[in-house]
Amino acid sequence: SYELTQPLSVSVALGQTARITCGGNNIGSKNVHWYQQKPGQAPVLVIYRDSNRPSGIPERFSGSNSGNTATLTISRAQAGDEADYYCQVWDKTWVFGGGTKLTVL
Amino acid sequence: EVQLLDSGGNLVQPGGSLRLSCAASGFTFSNYPMSWVRQAPGKGLEWVSAISGSADRTYYADSVKGRFTISRDNSKNTLYLEMNNLRAEDTAVYYCAKEVPDSRGNYLDYWGQGTLVTVSS
Repeated sequence: SYELTQPLSVSVALGQTARITCGGNNIGSKNVHWYQQKPGQAPVLVIYRDSNRPSGIPERFSGSNSGNTATLTISRAQAGDEADYYCQVWDKTWVFGGGTKLTVL
Repeated sequence: EVQLLDSGGNLVQPGGSLRLSCAASGFTFSNYPMSWVRQAPGKGLEWVSAISGSADRTYYADSVKGRFTISRDNSKNTLYLEMNNLRAEDTAVYYCAKEVPDSRGNYLDYWGQGTLVTVSS
């Protein structure tokens, strides 16, 4: 079965750029989607099809996907960006990464 | 505005049954496939089940196949998850979610607030 690997945690200084990776075999050939989940809340879609932002998601959120790694980039990180982030692909079934906890210092 | 309201979660004994509901509004419900995704305490997201817009196709994770049944009533804009023979490892918050069809794999653009299922004696 297909697996997605994410770092358990990422830290970023306030106002700096955070990058959260999602690794998978030839993931560049798949559509990658990213969800943000704040404590006690439901997940929210922040990036779909590798690099597209739903309406209402700040331009500070961007995505890329190539080779064996997809990346969610959060520019000018804010305290409100602290959350768990999950990547997701379709490979004969729904596959989620294990999630990355983003801490803004 | 799209809204998904999950309900039905409760404390149930091992081997017991429960039915979850998800009331949808703000979009043409019958046009979209829907999914259930769960999250065990302190754990990540796990897809559980999905159903096509017309309810003619259903899909299940191996972990729930044969025990859970997904269904929908398009006249009531409601999604269901019937859970039987519940196990401790089914303890989780269950979210319903609206799927966006995509030729390279669907994704989930709206989620319910979640409903907690606790399986314990």
